[in-house]
Amino acid sequence: DAGVTQSPTHLIKTRGQHVTLRCSPISGHKSVSWYQQVLGQGPQFIFQYYEKEERGRGNFPDRFSARQFPNYSSELNVNALLLGDSALYLCASSRGQESSYNSPLHFGNGTRLTVT
Amino acid sequence: GQQLNQSPQSMFIQEGEDVSMNCTSSSIFNTWLWYKQDPGEGPVLLIALYKAGELTSNGRLTAQFGITRTDSFLNIAASIPSDVGIYFCARGGNNDMRFGAGTRLTVKP
Repeated sequence: DAGVTQSPTHLIKTRGQHVTLRCSPISGHKSVSWYQQVLGQGPQFIFQYYEKEERGRGNFPDRFSARQFPNYSSELNVNALLLGDSALYLCASSRGQESSYNSPLHFGNGTRLTVT
Repeated sequence: GQQLNQSPQSMFIQEGEDVSMNCTSSSIFNTWLWYKQDPGEGPVLLIALYKAGELTSNGRLTAQFGITRTDSFLNIAASIPSDVGIYFCARGGNNDMRFGAGTRLTVKP
C-alpha cells in the first residue's frame, strides 16, 4: 500500500507570495493532520481535518488555511509568506479522528519550503 | 502550554552500546508515543503507550509509560549504525500531537 504522499517535495518562494501544499492520505484513512517542523525542532501541529471538517487548529496565524476534499486528500495554503515560514511541512493521516493502537498516525516525507 | 522536555538533546555512542532517553511533562497525558525521523523523511512511529506503567518492546526498543503519567523513557539495546536519527516523544490523542524537541542519536561504528 502507498503511504502518505506529499507534493511538491521541495519549493522555493519569495516573501509575500502564497503557497499550496498537497497531501494524499493512506487509502482508507479519513483524518489528515498538518504539522510544521522548523530545523532543529519537533513538528508543531497546524490543523486536523476529519471527514472534510476542521477538527483542530494549532497556534498559527490566519495566513494558514487548509481544506480536505471528498476523496480525503488535503491542501495546506499559506498566504503572505514570511521568512519564518521556511520549514518542513508534514502531513499525517490516520483511520479515525483519534490516533490509537489500531489507528496510529502515519507521516509523509514532507514538503521542504524555503522562503527567500 | 503543555511542554514536553526531552533529554538528552544529543548522544554520541559506540556501536553495540545501549541507549536511554526520556521525556517529561508538567501535565498528565493518556498517551505517549515515540517516533524516529531519518534525514529527509517524516517521523515513523516506533512504540505507542496507552496505559500508565505500561512497558512495551519492539525488537531492540523498549519504552515505558511512567506511573505518574508525566514521563516516558525509550531504551535501545545493542545499538547499530542504522539507529542513527532523531527520536521524538509525543503525546497523542486527537491527532493534534505535541512533540518534544528530539534526541539526536549518532552511532559510531
